[in-house]
Amino acid sequence: GAVVSQHPSRVICKSGTSVKIECRSLDFQATTMFWYRQFPKQSLMLMATSNEGSKATYEQGVEKDKFLINHASLTLSTLTVTSAHPEDSSFYICSATGDSLATEAFFGQGTRLTVV
Amino acid sequence: AQSVTQLGSHVSVSEGALVLLRCNYSSSVPPYLFWYVQYPNQGLQLLLKYTSAATLVKGINGFEAEFKKSETSFHLTKPSAHMSDAAEYFCAVRSGGATNKLIFGTGTLLAVQP
Repeated sequence: GAVVSQHPSRVICKSGTSVKIECRSLDFQATTMFWYRQFPKQSLMLMATSNEGSKATYEQGVEKDKFLINHASLTLSTLTVTSAHPEDSSFYICSATGDSLATEAFFGQGTRLTVV
Repeated sequence: AQSVTQLGSHVSVSEGALVLLRCNYSSSVPPYLFWYVQYPNQGLQLLLKYTSAATLVKGINGFEAEFKKSETSFHLTKPSAHMSDAAEYFCAVRSGGATNKLIFGTGTLLAVQP
C-alpha cells in the first residue's frame, strides 16, 4: 500500500508554544488529508479535512484558530497546534486518500504530543 | 448518514481460537467498509476493505470479513488467533459525498491469551 509519513513521532513542548506536525504522502498524490485526535483507549476523533489548495473543513467543536491546517501541495499537509496547553496533549494521526470512494485512507504513524 | 457500531469494546480469546469481531453499519447508500488494526502508539493499518465486489473479503494476516447486506454487518474473523494479533481493531465506513471521510466505530481491543 501507499506510504504516509508523519513527523515527528513524539514531541514535548512547553505550555504556550506552538508545535507543527507534518504529514507527507510519499508515493501518491493525496487529494484529501484528514487529521484525527485520539484520546487514550478511545476511537479516532476527526478534527478536520483538508484538500490541496483550499481551506480546511473543521469538525464541529474544533477550534480552527488553535489547530491550523495547511495543505499546500498534493503530498504535504501540516497541523500546527498554537499556544499549546496541557489539555492539548494527545495522539494526533493524519491520513491521506485519493479521489475514489473505493480507495482506502492511508495513515501516518501518529504523533504523541505532550505539553508540559 | 453513515455510521458503524462495534459490539464489544474488549474481546479475549485463547491462542489458536477463532477470532470474531463484530461490526454493524448504517448507510443510506451502498457502503464502502474497512477494517483497520492499530498497535500501541502507532497509526492505523488497513486489514481489508469491501468495495461492492466479492462479499467475502480476504485481508492480511489471515483475516477475512463477510459483507451481509441483509444483516447490515461486516464482521471480522480469523480462524486461529496468534499472540501478535493482540491490538485495537476499528471498523469504518466511507461517508461519500464531498468530504469522502471515514467514519470509525469505537474500536475493539483484542487480547490473546497463551
